[in-house]
Amino acid sequence: GAGVSQSPRYKVAKRGQDVALRCDPISGHVSLFWYQQALGQGPEFLTYFQNEAQLDKSGLPSDRFFAERPEGSVSTLKIQRTQQEDSAVYLCASSVNRGWGTEAFFGQGTRLTVV
Amino acid sequence: KQEVTQIPAALSVPEGENLVLNCSFTDSAIYNLQWFRQDPGKGLTSLLLIQSSQREQTSGRLNASLDKSSGRSTLYIAASQPGDSATYLCAVHPAPSGGSYIPTFGRGTSLIVHP
Repeated sequence: GAGVSQSPRYKVAKRGQDVALRCDPISGHVSLFWYQQALGQGPEFLTYFQNEAQLDKSGLPSDRFFAERPEGSVSTLKIQRTQQEDSAVYLCASSVNRGWGTEAFFGQGTRLTVV
Repeated sequence: KQEVTQIPAALSVPEGENLVLNCSFTDSAIYNLQWFRQDPGKGLTSLLLIQSSQREQTSGRLNASLDKSSGRSTLYIAASQPGDSATYLCAVHPAPSGGSYIPTFGRGTSLIVHP
């Protein structure tokens, strides 16, 4: 596709359930970012990939959060044993170069609600 | 650690007014600064990106300026329209010499333009 695609758009999970969120970046983009955005807040950094290498995961809030990008394209963010405080919009962004020296493009996000 | 502040947090104006949204950052060692628009329930749409060596960028009714030394950027919206209603976010990309590729977001300015 022409843009960054995220799926599902909406996810409702029962507390304790595991979830997997998918991001399809723009083809050929080197950098991929995951951000978490709580209601009324700005996006907060979670993790960064350069191709398949996870160079920074300092923003992951706990060891229940895990992200991968095994072939340097599609990325999955997995949250184990979801809790109510995990409810947020999860945004994925990609950029053609390292970091976003050029422009970053964002997907529509996945809205996760934990009940 | 970079901190990004956006003022005002919310703004409600009548159609036709010229607007100024402010973004300030604490660490002036930046690579670029990017302004985004976010509609409710949507992802982020890039509006303007200013490299650290630039002073301003323009796109249609939007003009963004950057004063790196004072840690400030402004987004100027001319002749506002109801369709401009959205949340406006600024994101600061650190200079690579600092070893980080992680952009930091402000919390956004929520704009309502009423007819």
